[in-house]
Amino acid sequence: ETGVTQSPTHLIKTRGQQVTLRCSSQSGHNTVSWYQQALGQGPQFIFQYYREEENGRGNFPPRFSGLQFPNYSSELNVNALELDDSALYLCASSPIENRPDTQYFGPGTRLTVL
Amino acid sequence: KNEVEQSPQNLTAQEGEFITINCSYSVGISALHWLQQHPGGGIVSLFMLSSGKKKHGRLIATINIQEKHSSLHITASHPRDSAVYICAVSQGAQKLVFGQGTRLTINP
Repeated sequence: ETGVTQSPTHLIKTRGQQVTLRCSSQSGHNTVSWYQQALGQGPQFIFQYYREEENGRGNFPPRFSGLQFPNYSSELNVNALELDDSALYLCASSPIENRPDTQYFGPGTRLTVL
Repeated sequence: KNEVEQSPQNLTAQEGEFITINCSYSVGISALHWLQQHPGGGIVSLFMLSSGKKKHGRLIATINIQEKHSSLHITASHPRDSAVYICAVSQGAQKLVFGQGTRLTINP
């Protein structure tokens, strides 16, 4: 059992709205990565946070932003939602910066944009 | 062309059959990962490989660095093995690059 939790489980929004997704990292993990997984596709790296600072970003526009808190929980914020933002959003926590092989995944939040 | 390609995309087999899922990659990597994703969405790491072969129960993973190819094998498959199996590669720091996944269905 990984101990990484995400909320909410499912979410429905309309185009143009803003959304905040939350991730609670496994105890002792100070790095969190966010991934977007479109239906039928593999996950795509959005960004990573380490000690409350962004520590790498994939090919996603600035309307995707994040926060990491002192207790190492994290948020993913998406502004001006588009239909193509509908996907499963996964967070993964790691005890070691820059070591993706140690990541533990949460169950994901399924976002539907109408 | 994706940096990580898996085949087949979908695989249906009968219980007990030997299963092989393939992964090819086109970039330099520090490690290759096999992951399992069940319908609920959560991802579980099965193997991390940088060379050779690893075995865990009925699962075997191999990698050929020169050919940039890896395979995941399942022996004596069971309906509970039904899931999406994803190959991912580590490219140095920070991120995993994922294949599109192989949806495996094992019928009783």
